[in-house]
Amino acid sequence: AQSVTQPDIHITVSEGASLELRCNYSYGATPYLFWYVQSPGQGLQLLLKYFSGDTLVQGIKGFEAEFKRSQSSFNLRKPSVHWSDAAEYFCAVAPWGAGSYQLTFGKGTKLSVIP
Amino acid sequence: DAGVTQSPTHLIKTRGQQVTLRCSPKSGHDTVSWYQQALGQGPQFIFQYYEEEERQRGNFPDRFSGHQFPNYSSELNVNALLLGDSALYLCASRGRVGTEAFFGQGTRLTVV
Repeated sequence: AQSVTQPDIHITVSEGASLELRCNYSYGATPYLFWYVQSPGQGLQLLLKYFSGDTLVQGIKGFEAEFKRSQSSFNLRKPSVHWSDAAEYFCAVAPWGAGSYQLTFGKGTKLSVIP
Repeated sequence: DAGVTQSPTHLIKTRGQQVTLRCSPKSGHDTVSWYQQALGQGPQFIFQYYEEEERQRGNFPDRFSGHQFPNYSSELNVNALLLGDSALYLCASRGRVGTEAFFGQGTRLTVV
């Protein structure tokens, strides 16, 4: 069974600073990988996804993530954080293969932004 | 495009009661999944429906059941509610092509 670990429960950064949120996964093969963002009281919005190919993935809102197979990691980055980025971020994994789509989420990292 | 819509937004139930939550998928989507998100946790997969049948199921008891209708909308039913069932219930839909899931805003269920 797959699993996802997000080691940081809460991160605080200053507006304009760079950001890196960590994600490690456990899966027997190369999975589908995702980052979602959730604002308070809201559903989940997809930031970016990795299926195959280029290991550096660009997403919405200026986010990017890099898949490192050797480290089983899929860390999310942003060069300059905006106050509106304050939210909870979830890394997720899904099994490889058509017709198989069951997301396993990490526990999330809450991002606070200091003006 | 209305996206994924869920109803109701909030509801409060008493322990032991039964509840039905509803989900309308994004236009063009035919697969619906349900997730439970307890406070401070990531969402957990409950089950997935495609062609009106349950295709995959997570580690949830039989008290959790579902249904998908011919128009692809879906219901989540929970019987014999426990206090621990209090959570945000999220519905996600995806299309036949591609694997990106779109989530609704969720239904906040409080069991008292």
